[in-house]
Amino acid sequence: ETGVTQTPRHLVMGMTNKKSLKCEQHLGHNAMYWYKQSAKKPLELMFVYSLEERVENNSVPSRFSPECPNSSHLFLHLHTLQPEDSALYLCASSQDLDRDNEKLFFGSGTQLSVL
Amino acid sequence: LAKTTQPISMDSYEGQEVNITCSHNNIATNDYITWYQQFPSQGPRFIIQGYKTKVTNEVASLFIPADRKSSTLSLPRVSLSDTAVYYCLAQNTGGFKTIFGAGTRLFVKA
Repeated sequence: ETGVTQTPRHLVMGMTNKKSLKCEQHLGHNAMYWYKQSAKKPLELMFVYSLEERVENNSVPSRFSPECPNSSHLFLHLHTLQPEDSALYLCASSQDLDRDNEKLFFGSGTQLSVL
Repeated sequence: LAKTTQPISMDSYEGQEVNITCSHNNIATNDYITWYQQFPSQGPRFIIQGYKTKVTNEVASLFIPADRKSSTLSLPRVSLSDTAVYYCLAQNTGGFKTIFGAGTRLFVKA
């Protein structure tokens, strides 16, 4: 248990569906992240939030919409996804963004399949 | 961000010590070296972090030579459950730009 909880653990959706991924951290951290990991590929950074403000949007298509209502919760809203969006979506948190020795704490991820 | 190079894969047997070396020739003065472990269908887990010399915790040891251009993660007496991907990172920008490479796939055999 890392202190970062993601739900659902698995999700199957059609291309016309709208769904949301949820992440909650119980560590008192100020920064939260979304990563995407496709099969046999390195993790790709998608979004970064610090104190509920988005500080990074890594050229992610608009069909992915993040939301950070407070420093403990992070959502990823999904709509009109494509089959190539099928991947493991990982949420992470860190104490802050500006320390040289920052460490990331990851959730277990949501395995998403788009049909 | 310092580019890191590590072996794509390694095999070992239960009970052996495993050393995974990571090269980071253009490491910057304020870069830290951090290692993560990832099991299939799970998020990476922080293992160990260091700046120079040697760091040891309950899971692993990290050896960093004086020039800091490489580092070695040492896993003592591995078990089957240590089969995972191990990522080496050398960077200083906090989590803001944490970028993961391909990592080293360690396979521990009985």
